[in-house]
Amino acid sequence: QSVLTQPPSVSAAPGQKVTISCSGSSSNIGAGYVSWYQQLPGTVPKLLIYEDDKRPSGIPDRFSGSKSGTSATLGITGLQTGDEADYYCGTWDSSLSAAVFGGGTQLTVL
Amino acid sequence: EVQLVESGGGLVQPGGSLRLSCVVSGFTFSNYEMNWVRQAPGKGLEWVSYIRRTGSYVYYTDSVKGRFTISRDSAKNSLFLQMDSLRAEDTAVYYCARDLDGSGRAFDIWGQGTMVTVSS
Repeated sequence: QSVLTQPPSVSAAPGQKVTISCSGSSSNIGAGYVSWYQQLPGTVPKLLIYEDDKRPSGIPDRFSGSKSGTSATLGITGLQTGDEADYYCGTWDSSLSAAVFGGGTQLTVL
Repeated sequence: EVQLVESGGGLVQPGGSLRLSCVVSGFTFSNYEMNWVRQAPGKGLEWVSYIRRTGSYVYYTDSVKGRFTISRDSAKNSLFLQMDSLRAEDTAVYYCARDLDGSGRAFDIWGQGTMVTVSS
């Protein structure tokens, strides 16, 4: 059971938009920044979003992040088949004194 | 080029030990906090441990406390994870990951991972 809750899967058609939610609590998401990671099949996780809504260099602006209270959201517009991957949210939990991840969301581009 | 290269994984019997290493290059290792993250086969990411740049503070996930020890050697640009009393549930790919800002909230560089299999 993950401390952060994500939907197990989402799907959308190419060119469409999808959002992935990440729900936490006042000791994790509510207490600081959230990051998002993309893990393409058979590859290493890659940082997509940090500090709730910032993109590392090289990450296209089709990827966006937002946060409200104890929930965060990853948005992906202009979906491409190459976006099919597992997506994870992450942050630090001050009560646990531990970094925590969501369980992951598998994105299917139909 | 910024790079993290893990090694030390392998097959070990339950109750055994392994020491993972992560050699970094392309950045000043002593300026960054570091983490270990693992991923069991077919499962999601699980954070394992964090170490401050000075080594003064370390944190662990509950399931490994008392069994795993994180450490670092700036002279060797290396991060380590000593794993003792290994259990079947420790079977996973272990990644070392650089902490973006030391907060434990974002990991910007990941190694390719090293597989640890605990089985008799």
